[in-house]
Amino acid sequence: AQSVTQLDSHVSVSEGTPVLLRCNYSSSYSPSLFWYVQHPNKGLQLLLKYTSAATLVKGINGFEAEFKKSETSFHLTKPSAHMSDAAEYFCVVSDSSGGYQKVTFGIGTKLQVIP
Amino acid sequence: DGGITQSPKYLFRKEGQNVTLSCEQNLNHDAMYWYRQDPGQGLRLIYYSQIVNDFQKGDIAEGYSVSREKKESFPLTVTSAQKNPTAFYLCATKPGYSYEQYFGPGTRLTVT
Repeated sequence: AQSVTQLDSHVSVSEGTPVLLRCNYSSSYSPSLFWYVQHPNKGLQLLLKYTSAATLVKGINGFEAEFKKSETSFHLTKPSAHMSDAAEYFCVVSDSSGGYQKVTFGIGTKLQVIP
Repeated sequence: DGGITQSPKYLFRKEGQNVTLSCEQNLNHDAMYWYRQDPGQGLRLIYYSQIVNDFQKGDIAEGYSVSREKKESFPLTVTSAQKNPTAFYLCATKPGYSYEQYFGPGTRLTVT
């Protein structure tokens, strides 16, 4: 079975402090994992992706995520939050279960950055 | 958003009317998808198409219809049978060699 759980619906951080957005997944197959960002009334933009290569993945805008198979986690981090990081973030799992690609989106985490 | 156009950005309709949302891409991607987004529910798959003239129902296809007559275009019709059509609709594409999806800017549909 495939599922993804974003553990926090809202996260609030001060500008300049670290960001941690948590994501746990379930997959019966070797999954690919993604983080997307969405600003209000916009489409989703890919931040980073894991596709069975290096477990520490670096993305755009200073974000990175670490794939931890033993913990079934793919948490998103950034050392120092910027005001422009305020947005909604989606964790996504994808695998080829049953011979076709299945994709599941998390419900999203809204990041608030306080000046 | 580059390469995927969704129009219009905002759409208003009266209850009982069918409405068609446009999605056009110039990325030459084989697969195209329609998602619906509601607050607190993430994205839910309505329909997808992996090749021209073929499409499959997603998780919430009832009340919707699609066509894929051209590789570049995947219009979504929201019919009067859709009980709660007000939502943000996102179109996405995917190249055959990747699991990564590319998203359009979305259309916000309001039905009153």
